[in-house]
Amino acid sequence: NAGVTQTPKFRILKIGQSMTLQCTQDMNHNYMYWYRQDPGMGLKLIYYSVGAGITDKGEVPNGYNVSRSTTEDFPLRLELAAPSQTSVYFCASSYRGRVGNQPQHFGDGTRLSIL
Amino acid sequence: AQSVSQHNHHVILSEAASLELGCNYSYGGTVNLFWYVQYPGQHLQLLLKYFSGDPLVKGIKGFEAEFIKSKFSFNLRKPSVQWSDTAEYFCAVSLYGGSQGNLIFGKGTKLSVKP
Repeated sequence: NAGVTQTPKFRILKIGQSMTLQCTQDMNHNYMYWYRQDPGMGLKLIYYSVGAGITDKGEVPNGYNVSRSTTEDFPLRLELAAPSQTSVYFCASSYRGRVGNQPQHFGDGTRLSIL
Repeated sequence: AQSVSQHNHHVILSEAASLELGCNYSYGGTVNLFWYVQYPGQHLQLLLKYFSGDPLVKGIKGFEAEFIKSKFSFNLRKPSVQWSDTAEYFCAVSLYGGSQGNLIFGKGTKLSVKP
C-alpha cells in the first residue's frame, strides 16, 4: 500500500497565484484531513471530510477550499496565495468505525513558499 | 476550546539518558490519546495510542506513555534514548465520539540526543 500520497513535495508561488495540493489515499479511509504545520505551532486543521461529498471547516480555513468527489482524493486549493500561507501542508486519513476514530495516517507533506 | 499543552519546547539529552515528555489536555469528556513522532524532513508517524483499558501503553521503539485521567495527562517515556530518537514529538487528542474525528495537537517538543 502507498498509504497517503501528496503532490507536489515542494512549490514556490508568487503572491496572488493559485494552486492545488493533491492528496490521495488507498486505504479506503472515510475521514480525510488537511493540516498546516508552522514552526513551533504544531499542526492546525484547515479542512476535513467525513466521506465523499462532505467537507467542513477546521480551525484555520480562510484562504483555502477543498472538495471530496471520491473516497480516495481530497485536494486542497489556494485561490489567491498570500505570504501567510507559507507553511508545510500535511494530508491525513483515518477510519472511523463503531468504536471511534482510528489513528491518522499522514502523507509526506508539501512545503509551500509564497514570495 | 479543547487544547493540548506540551511542557517542553526543546529537550537535549545524552545517549542512554531517560526521557519523559509531558502532555496535558483540557477536556472533561472521554478522549483518545496519541503520541506522534516526526523525524527531520519526514511526515508524522504514530508512536503509540490510548483508547481504553490499561492506562500504561507501550508503543514502538521502546516508548511508553501513561494516561492519568485525574491529571489530564499522557506523558511519554523512554528508559534509555538513542541518537536515532532525535526528532520532534507531538501529543494529540481526539475527542471520543466527536463528529470531526480530527486531532488536536500540542505544539511539539524537539528532542536532541547527543551521541
